[in-house]
Amino acid sequence: QQQVKQSPQSLIVQKGGISIINCAYENTAFDYFPWYQQFPGKGPALLIAIRPDVSEKKEGRFTISFNKSAKQFSLHIMDSQPGDSATYFCAASNRPSGYALNFGKGTSLLVTP
Amino acid sequence: SAVISQKPSRDICQRGTSLTIQCQVDSQVTMMFWYRQQPGQSLTLIATANQGSEATYESGFVIDKFPISRPNLTFSTLTVSNMSPEDSSIYLCSVAIGGNTEAFFGQGTRLTVV
Repeated sequence: QQQVKQSPQSLIVQKGGISIINCAYENTAFDYFPWYQQFPGKGPALLIAIRPDVSEKKEGRFTISFNKSAKQFSLHIMDSQPGDSATYFCAASNRPSGYALNFGKGTSLLVTP
Repeated sequence: SAVISQKPSRDICQRGTSLTIQCQVDSQVTMMFWYRQQPGQSLTLIATANQGSEATYESGFVIDKFPISRPNLTFSTLTVSNMSPEDSSIYLCSVAIGGNTEAFFGQGTRLTVV
């Protein structure tokens, strides 16, 4: 059973646009929500993460928005660039599991010039 | 952050054989994880490996098929035993640092079973 549901499966955005990827979870015990970026042939790279005590976290062009009551969180990529073209995974974890990650199915992002 | 090296980076194996994947970390870590990423799919946790204790396997994964060793705080191995084509996947080692929250991944081992 997929504990973290991610959408859309794929996304095409023009250069300079905003890319938005959404995730939802059911397990209220999750307390850590990272996003990973993966390029072909590479392992996932930690992009940004948030804990449920804040509603938003921003690092450069990347922002996580978190809605605890709705059990949803999203990644916004501002001023999207062709170099952002990759697969993005949201994930969730908690302390009792040793922070083992439950991943969404991934979103393939293509930023066109 | 942590630098994680996996060996081999890729391999093509005959069905029925076994492959051992090595994971080396540049610093001592408590928590190490092994994930599987099937072609075009997401990552699925196979097991958690802590030094000095038996690995903990997720539902659908068993020790006889995926034996894991964790001899020290910087090294682990995952063996894929009695391989079949369905085992063709990318296998990834991960470590957790920063109070065991931030997880970093190796580049993965791309396994093809023929």
